Amino acid sequence: GAGVSQSPSNKVTEKGKDVELRCDPISGHTALYWYRQSLGQGLEFLIYFQGNSAPDKSGLPSDRFSAERTGGSVSTLTIQRTQQEDSAVYLCASSRISGSDGYTFGSGTRLTVV
Amino acid sequence: RKEVEQDPGPFNVPEGATVAFNCTYSNSASQSFFWYRQDCRKEPKLLMSVYSSGNEDGRFTAQLNRASQYISLLIRDSKLSDSATYLCVVTPGDNFNKFYFGSGTKLNVKP
Repeated sequence: GAGVSQSPSNKVTEKGKDVELRCDPISGHTALYWYRQSLGQGLEFLIYFQGNSAPDKSGLPSDRFSAERTGGSVSTLTIQRTQQEDSAVYLCASSRISGSDGYTFGSGTRLTVV
Repeated sequence: RKEVEQDPGPFNVPEGATVAFNCTYSNSASQSFFWYRQDCRKEPKLLMSVYSSGNEDGRFTAQLNRASQYISLLIRDSKLSDSATYLCVVTPGDNFNKFYFGSGTKLNVKP
């Protein structure tokens, strides 16, 4: 597509429920990244996919977080048993193979855990 | 120590002013550097890459100082529309794809 598409744009969930966030990267971009941004804070790296290589999961904050990327395109970030501290904006970005041109971000999913 | 550090500001300047932000990074092997702009409740957008020789894009000038491990962004003739948070971004030397973002410097341009 023309840009990075994320859905839903907003999600309110009850504590303890599971949520799935979706990212559709720019066509032809082989690298895909998930970050999160808490209110008034900087961006926190979560996970990175590059082609068919094993993902870099070093930023996932706990084993409640997981992500997959099917067919080298769409990615889903899953948060199990959500906690209030998971409330944040979850941003997906994609780039060409080297990342040397910078990332293009989607508009994010605002997750609120109540 | 954080990978990337920025003064959070806010920098409050009048229209037409020149303002500069610095950003320091901890990994001397860092290879790629960028400035991103983030408007309130919006996603970050690439403003400009930072090249070793320095680069300019209109009213914006970016500089890299490898010896002192900082990058800078200079904005001349500030416009109201420049009001935003400016994020410094650095890649570690061993992974061009893993970006470290600073927490951002907030700029308010006043009439």
